Amino acid sequence: SQQGEEDPQALSIQEGENATMNCSYKTSINNLQWYRQNSGRGLVHLILIRSNEREKHSGRLRVTLDTSKKSSSLLITASRAADTASYFCATDTRSGYALNFGKGTSLLVTP
Amino acid sequence: DGGITQSPKYLFRKEGQNVTLSCEQNLNHDAMYWYRQDPGQGLRLIYYSQIVNDFQKGDIAEGYSVSREKKESFPLTVTSAQKNPTAFYLCASSPPTGGGGSYEQYFGPGTRLTVT
Repeated sequence: SQQGEEDPQALSIQEGENATMNCSYKTSINNLQWYRQNSGRGLVHLILIRSNEREKHSGRLRVTLDTSKKSSSLLITASRAADTASYFCATDTRSGYALNFGKGTSLLVTP
Repeated sequence: DGGITQSPKYLFRKEGQNVTLSCEQNLNHDAMYWYRQDPGQGLRLIYYSQIVNDFQKGDIAEGYSVSREKKESFPLTVTSAQKNPTAFYLCASSPPTGGGGSYEQYFGPGTRLTVT
């Protein structure tokens, strides 16, 4: 079952601008993760944020988590053409192993 | 793609034939997963395995089968019972969770299966 839902579905920006995408989920979680997928490729893990964390940074990425609103956001600062990809949030399941993925946000960064 | 290999990259089959997709990892991970991705969609879980000789059905297991005889390998068979097998199939692995929730998953490059 797909618990996470990303918003917007598609986002188009110019290089240098910031990109923000949001994820909402339905049930309580231990962790929330963000992944990137370049066209036709496998997913690459970007960042994991635990339920007791509110914000996490990794390079140009900033992730926030609001468990009261069951939502998370991914901010990519100073975007580059190479950031063009689909971005997925994923929440853990009762098994503790498998993840529920949203449908993703498709990001296009134009030079 | 993180020490996980999937082969082949593209696979073509006739309707009614079973086909097996390969997934091998050298990350020494206990857990492995199979996901299906349709165009413009997220990933849907087919099967996962927490340990050798054990596996559980995911959300869309009907028409698929798996085995886990070795830690490194988790092949997926798409049977003729799967009504819409054409899709992009992704294999992943992860370390054991230790009860603290999920860990990051490492994905292979995927196999694009086309059934006509």
